[in-house]
Amino acid sequence: GQNIDQPTEMTATEGAIVQINCTYQTSGFNGLFWYQQHAGEAPTFLSYNVLDGLEEKGRFSSFLSRSKGYSYLLLKELQMKDSASYLCADMDSNYQLIWGAGTKLIIKP
Amino acid sequence: TAGITQAPTSQILAAGRSMTLRCTQDMRHNAMYWYRQDLGLGLRLIHYSNTAGTTGKGEVPDGYSVSRANTDDFPLTLASAVPSQTSVYFCASSASGSGGDTQYFGPGTRLTVL
Repeated sequence: GQNIDQPTEMTATEGAIVQINCTYQTSGFNGLFWYQQHAGEAPTFLSYNVLDGLEEKGRFSSFLSRSKGYSYLLLKELQMKDSASYLCADMDSNYQLIWGAGTKLIIKP
Repeated sequence: TAGITQAPTSQILAAGRSMTLRCTQDMRHNAMYWYRQDLGLGLRLIHYSNTAGTTGKGEVPDGYSVSRANTDDFPLTLASAVPSQTSVYFCASSASGSGGDTQYFGPGTRLTVL
């Protein structure tokens, strides 16, 4: 089966750190993607993990554990502009993306 | 660079009418995709094309058709619209449609079927 789970909504404070978790169960695996989507806009690419471990890219980092079917997106030094939905997607054996419903992140001053 | 463009931006359509959503990319990407996004659900793949001249069905293809006559264009047609097709439609493209390939999205078309 194919299933992506991530929290529906999270709230964090400006300047803080937040971790958004994603679990997946996919028949075949070709990597895990994170996208950011501001309200009313298109998703934009943030990160891609295919090997276990942490990938750091500025304020954003993404982690993958293939054995646990688990990934997280870590956002540091939160800014108000980080208020958005964060979409987790895993690439299946046919190279198609299976998407989670997204986590709406609310940043408070 | 334009990247991916979609038209129209939004549309209200009477049930039973047909409509074509347009998508054009200027990145010379081989693979293109059509998704719909509904509140509370993840993006769902409608149809895809790994290269010009070929198309494939995604998770929710019923009621939709596509064509890929050339590299740049990937129109999505609703032959006879129904209210359940009310959604935001995103077109995307990627270089090759293979492992690790990043998908780039157009701005979306908001469709309301009444």
